[in-house]
Amino acid sequence: EVQMVESGGGLGQPGGSLRVSCAASGFTFNNFAMNWVRQAPGKGLELVSGTSGGVVTTFYADSVKGRFTVSRDNSKNTLYLQMNSLKADDTAVYYCARVGHAGGFDYWGQGTPVTVSS
Amino acid sequence: EIVMTQSPATLSVSPGERATLSCRASQSIATNVAWYQQKPGQAPRLLISGASTRATGIPARFSGSGSGTEFALTISTLQSEDSAVYYCQQYNTWPRYTFGQGTKLEVK
Repeated sequence: EVQMVESGGGLGQPGGSLRVSCAASGFTFNNFAMNWVRQAPGKGLELVSGTSGGVVTTFYADSVKGRFTVSRDNSKNTLYLQMNSLKADDTAVYYCARVGHAGGFDYWGQGTPVTVSS
Repeated sequence: EIVMTQSPATLSVSPGERATLSCRASQSIATNVAWYQQKPGQAPRLLISGASTRATGIPARFSGSGSGTEFALTISTLQSEDSAVYYCQQYNTWPRYTFGQGTKLEVK
């Protein structure tokens, strides 16, 4: 059974840092691209970052470029998002999502909430 | 960036009836569209990929159609459990995948 479990969210200070993780199981992790999608309170879905599967390439939304860093440890089947220089606008639930081979994001974690406030 | 525009923003339909949700892309994206269902407090769930292919375990009363710039998600024989927000997403231009703003469907 495919499972993805996020952790590491919580309260962060403006200008501070947080790291969220996504532990995956039930599939060959390095065969799949993985993404981070966030959802601010009462808002829609925003793709913020992600990595390819094999030879790792990364991408970032303009809203987080230069502040967030995505990485993956294929030996631990884990995806990470290091979030620096946090802003109030980064307050959201952060989901990890697997890119399906047929297109779309076929599996999602349950999400981890991040709140940026002083 | 490809912009996905969904309509209507909110839709209220009676149980047993049919609902059609629309999604328009700002440029042609072939059939590189997915649809998701999100219920309150839950993660999104993939319903449709490739504009018309149901994901594993999705009932046949969910169907997708369209190509190019116009897409639709049709839900027939609506049930109360179908009340949710539905999002379309284009994945034509890696990695700049974009979501629509969502359609809230109320079945009552």
